[in-house]
Amino acid sequence: DTAVSQTPKYLVTQMGNDKSIKCEQNLGHDTMYWYKQDSKKFLKIMFSYNNKELIINETVPNRFSPKSPDKAHLNLHINSLELGDSAVYFCASSPSGSTDTQYFGPGTRLTVL
Amino acid sequence: KQEVTQIPAALSVPEGENLVLNCSFTDSAIYNLQWFRQDPGKGLTSLLLIQSSQREQTSGRLNASLDKSSGRSTLYIAASQPGDSATYLCAGGSGANNLFFGTGTRLTVIP
Repeated sequence: DTAVSQTPKYLVTQMGNDKSIKCEQNLGHDTMYWYKQDSKKFLKIMFSYNNKELIINETVPNRFSPKSPDKAHLNLHINSLELGDSAVYFCASSPSGSTDTQYFGPGTRLTVL
Repeated sequence: KQEVTQIPAALSVPEGENLVLNCSFTDSAIYNLQWFRQDPGKGLTSLLLIQSSQREQTSGRLNASLDKSSGRSTLYIAASQPGDSATYLCAGGSGANNLFFGTGTRLTVIP
């Protein structure tokens, strides 16, 4: 059984489009995260979401918005895509907060043309 | 703001050798220190988690240590195998559910 899953695995789109990436975890965890891994393989947190409390990394543009329909899902919506948004996006979850081990999804490679 | 550095960026060793990967962090007020493994094109797999009150954790051939006073952590891999080839990332856990990652060490174990 896949613990943290993401769809799609690959996403290729044009500049200016709006897209979504879905994330689901079946671990019963309370906290979910979105990370961005850039072309230099540097991984940086974008959001964490716990019990309807959203913590946003201040460097993330407001074109990015996480949406959580329930505790098992945290989807990432991106408006007006830009070339610099091209990266691999990882979803993760943990039992509670940052003191716990985080479990990562397989990643979504986004390419903006 | 927490900054995490990993040296070296890449490492090649012959199979069977013991090796140490290094991680340094700037803010000693971390909640924990985690080591992950990332295979090419894949997500991250958690290897070891050391809480701030702990000095080390062990899992099989892996041993991770944490020295908050010096801002350092090491990952020791015993009797390396070709299957250990991957990128190893350390990450410091801070407040507000933040996890600050290093840039990783790409390990190649040569058969």
